[in-house]
Amino acid sequence: KAGVTQTPRYLIKTRGQQVTLSCSPISGHRSVSWYQQTPGQGLQFLFEYFSETQRNKGNFPGRFSGRQFSNSRSEMNVSTLELGDSALYLCASSNYMNTEAFFGQGTRLTVV
Amino acid sequence: AQSVTQPDIHITVSEGASLELRCNYSYGATPYLFWYVQSPGQGLQLLLKYFSGDTLVQGIKGFEAEFKRSQSSFNLRKPSVHWSDAAEYFCAKGNEKLTFGTGTRLTIIP
Repeated sequence: KAGVTQTPRYLIKTRGQQVTLSCSPISGHRSVSWYQQTPGQGLQFLFEYFSETQRNKGNFPGRFSGRQFSNSRSEMNVSTLELGDSALYLCASSNYMNTEAFFGQGTRLTVV
Repeated sequence: AQSVTQPDIHITVSEGASLELRCNYSYGATPYLFWYVQSPGQGLQLLLKYFSGDTLVQGIKGFEAEFKRSQSSFNLRKPSVHWSDAAEYFCAKGNEKLTFGTGTRLTIIP
């Protein structure tokens, strides 16, 4: 069974640009969550989607958004990038029971 | 707000020695608890989880953890560490939304 796949692995963007990150969950998993990891703030929850609906949202500005498609694949978008958005963005998928989250390798975003 | 505390930022142990990483959590009615490990530049790998039942849980790579409700703790242990265990370890709480501790970086010396 393939694991959680995140693309791209690395991104370099300029301040003010926008970026879209993609996450393909494990087959059969309907819940997808996103996390931001930075040295200063650690791992912080962004949002969680289940069956195309956002169920939970973390404390991030509206520049951070996401969506989930009917095949459970998810994307997150960050608009008007700031230097502080540089981070490792991790996606995790769970089955309907949410008994454990399986993480992807992450997308390393660098904003210059 | 729910919180998870890992009091040790960095721990160094000799290869073959025993290990205990500490984790304390704010009380919740159903404390779903997890330990994850992260190697540099990689995602998180689940070591073990606790939902209910037996308070001593076994995980992968020879790790175990003990849930102690009276102490709000979920410490991770391994009787004998290997050089490949060097990584960052995160304790987490929750289910749909995970709250992570700040992590403990483990260094192994030969």
